[in-house]
Amino acid sequence: DAGVTQSPTHLIKTRGQQVTLRCSPKSGHDTVSWYQQALGQGPQFIFQYYEEEERQRGNFPDRFSGHQFPNYSSELNVNALLLGDSALYLCASSFWGIQETQYFGPGTRLLVL
Amino acid sequence: GENVEQHPSTLSVQEGDSAVIKCTYSDSASNYFPWYKQELGKGPQLIIDIRSNVGEKKDQRIAVTLNKTAKHFSLHITETQPEDSAVYFCAASISGTASKLTFGTGTRLQVTL
Repeated sequence: DAGVTQSPTHLIKTRGQQVTLRCSPKSGHDTVSWYQQALGQGPQFIFQYYEEEERQRGNFPDRFSGHQFPNYSSELNVNALLLGDSALYLCASSFWGIQETQYFGPGTRLLVL
Repeated sequence: GENVEQHPSTLSVQEGDSAVIKCTYSDSASNYFPWYKQELGKGPQLIIDIRSNVGEKKDQRIAVTLNKTAKHFSLHITETQPEDSAVYFCAASISGTASKLTFGTGTRLQVTL
């Protein structure tokens, strides 16, 4: 039974560019949440997707957007990258009936130069 | 919104000793409290969780206690082993629709031989 998978594992971009990160949830899960983890900090909630709709959003600008596909996989898009966007981006999957119990993937480490 | 504080930020114990990490939360509506272990280069791994209808939960060498009145919860690890060395995060959430996790700032636990 595959856990949460994310791609790519690492990414280097320059300021102003756009990036797309991908996540496949754990088998049987239908809800995907995205978190940003800066170095030495706890993860910060970006948004959550269920039934292909954004259900809740944290305190992140509109440069951060997402999508969920019919197979429950999800993408996180970040436009106009800033140096401060450098972080580990984590995807967490859950079952909508118990969305608080979330299982994390290994993350994508993004470096913005 | 919810705010979670976590102490200590670093903790060093000798192998075989116990380790205790404490968290406080601000939103009395929070009713789900997971703990995650994050090893270097990996995503957070759910190790134990507790809901507000119980005061204590144990799973082998780890236990979590919850004091709803004081709004604090703690992780206890007994008979620590070198493989327990990692960063531990507490989190709080309100179970139900569109749950998001609010994390503490993490505790770096080092178990020395």
